[in-house]
Formats: sequence, C-alpha cells, structure tokens
Amino acid sequence: DTGVSQDPRHKITKRGQNVTFRCDPISEHNRLYWYRQTLGQGPEFLTYFQNEAQLEKSRLLSDRFSAERPKGSFSTLEIQRTEQGDSAMYLCASSLSAYSTDTQYFGPGTRLTVL
Amino acid sequence: KQEVTQIPAALSVPEGENLVLNCSFTDSAIYNLQWFRQDPGKGLTSLLLIQSSQREQTSGRLNASLDKSSGRSTLYIAASQPGDSATYLCALRGSTLGRLYFGRGTQLTVWP
Repeated sequence: DTGVSQDPRHKITKRGQNVTFRCDPISEHNRLYWYRQTLGQGPEFLTYFQNEAQLEKSRLLSDRFSAERPKGSFSTLEIQRTEQGDSAMYLCASSLSAYSTDTQYFGPGTRLTVL
Repeated sequence: KQEVTQIPAALSVPEGENLVLNCSFTDSAIYNLQWFRQDPGKGLTSLLLIQSSQREQTSGRLNASLDKSSGRSTLYIAASQPGDSATYLCALRGSTLGRLYFGRGTQLTVWP
C-alpha cells in the first residue's frame, strides 16, 4: 500500500511528558500537512511543508509544538510538556503540487490521550 | 478568516433515499473545495474535489456542486445505502498555499 502512514496509531501519555509522532507521505508527494481534530469538530490546520521547508504555521502551534521534515521525506510532530487539552486526533496529509488539483490525501491519524 | 458551516449536523435516513448535504462558506475567494468522508476513529477519504472554475463533479452515486457567488456547495448522494453511514466533511482551500478550512461535518446514518 502506498498511502500516507502514521505511527503510532494510538498514544497514551501522562501530563507533562513529551511525545513524538511520525508521518510518511505518499512517496512522490512534495507537500505535507499536519492537522488536529478534537471530538465533534472538523480538522484544524497546524502546519505545512513543501519539501523540507516549513512554509506556514497556525497560531494553534504553540511553542510546545515543533514539526520537522528532514530531507523532504517523512515528518515528525513533537509535543513537549503535554497538557490534557492536547488530547486529539493528529492527522497528516500529503499532496503533489505539480497537479492542478493538488488533492490532499490523509493518513489514518494518531490518537493522543493525555491523562 | 474563512468560516465553513455544514448543515445539518446529523441526518438519519432509511436506505434508498436521495439526500443533500449542505456546506456554506464566508469567503468566495477559494482555490478549490473538497468533500471528504470520515469513518469513526479513522482518517479522511477524499470523495470529490471541485476547482473554483468548475460548477460540479460526479463520482458514481455522488454529485457535488459549487456556487461561489452564494458561498455554497452541496453533496448529493443518490440511493443511499447503510455503507454510506459516516461523517461527511466539506473543506476549502483559500489559496495555492495549501491549508484546508474544514466544517464540523454532517454525521449521516443510513438504516436498512
């Protein structure tokens, strides 16, 4: 399967701990996005990469959040000093900007629970 | 800031009905609009994408329309089936930069 993959699928952590999530995009896709979705809400944009460059960051991405995409391939999203309000589904998507439609394809998500 | 509203929030219909899901947005300067399906606890599956220059797109039993002047899109599902039960999300791109703005979704239940 060559879709977007995310790891882990589920993460339970205690408040104050650091967590890191990984996203592997579709192999030829140069754009990668992170979104956060809480229960009953639509996904909210966090940040976006084109190749290895982080081009846009949401105000939701506080200083406890950091995202990287070394070498323009996989990406990691780290949350430091987790809070209960960080509990959510973290979704990754990728797209290929060469296509005029630039459809975003989503991974299965990582569900984070902060106790 | 783009605001996306989806009505109704929830819909329950018997199998076989044709139904319409609505999406409205506040800023008509959009690049494209996508409809997604999300099953409980899962990621998003893209159903249809309409470019800003297009009026509608069709895929099987699904038809999506776009009216930028009125800030509305509709997703029409023909002959609904229990397997269509899911949450349907509308999302807009406001520029070429890529960020999507999502509505809260319509939770659809189709009962046999």
